[in-house]
Amino acid sequence: QVQLVQSGAEVKEPGASVNVSCKASGYTFTDYYLHWVRQAPGQGLEWMGRINPHSGDTSFAQKFQGRVTLTRDTSITTAYMDLTRLTSDDSAVYYCARDNKGGLRAYGAPFYWGQGSLITVSS
Amino acid sequence: SYELTQPPSVSVSPGQTARITCSGDVLPNYYVHWYQQKPGQAPVLVIYEDSKRPSGIPERFFGSTSGTMATLTISGAQVEDESDYFCFSIDSSGNLCVFGGGTKLTVL
Repeated sequence: QVQLVQSGAEVKEPGASVNVSCKASGYTFTDYYLHWVRQAPGQGLEWMGRINPHSGDTSFAQKFQGRVTLTRDTSITTAYMDLTRLTSDDSAVYYCARDNKGGLRAYGAPFYWGQGSLITVSS
Repeated sequence: SYELTQPPSVSVSPGQTARITCSGDVLPNYYVHWYQQKPGQAPVLVIYEDSKRPSGIPERFFGSTSGTMATLTISGAQVEDESDYFCFSIDSSGNLCVFGGGTKLTVL
């Protein structure tokens, strides 16, 4: 079965960076887009970006341009999200989620979700 | 930046029909997907590609679109349907994704 297992909760100081990992299993890693979505406490879902695990190509929401990096290691079927210059506004649960469309087809949607990684930014 | 607009809240009695809307200028050009999220849990896809139900989603969940508006309809809403609902689609660039602000459905 499809599983996405994320790294654990972290506390970071303002200005620091955070790296969240997402270990995928149960499907062909390079066949599906992986999305990154975050949710601040009591707030809605926010799409951050997406990576094509086959090519490594990425797309980001405009507000994260220049501050987020998405990478993957196909040898261990793991994706990573790096977010730099953290502020308190970045305190949130961060999710990775596999697209529902195989073959890297366009206009799919996040379907299988990781358990979420709580990132707290506090001095 | 592009936005998908949802009402903050919708309230119905059990057994009634709940309708949650999502509006966006370029919605006619792209699929809309809908998620249900309960507190402390990851979202669950309940409607994809405007009107399709994933396996295991009850038939009372129905999706439709008309022009710049998409609607999630829950026919005969049940207490367990009380959740936050989010729409999801492509933004005006044609390449990036966006969630609606979310709607809290109360069933009581």
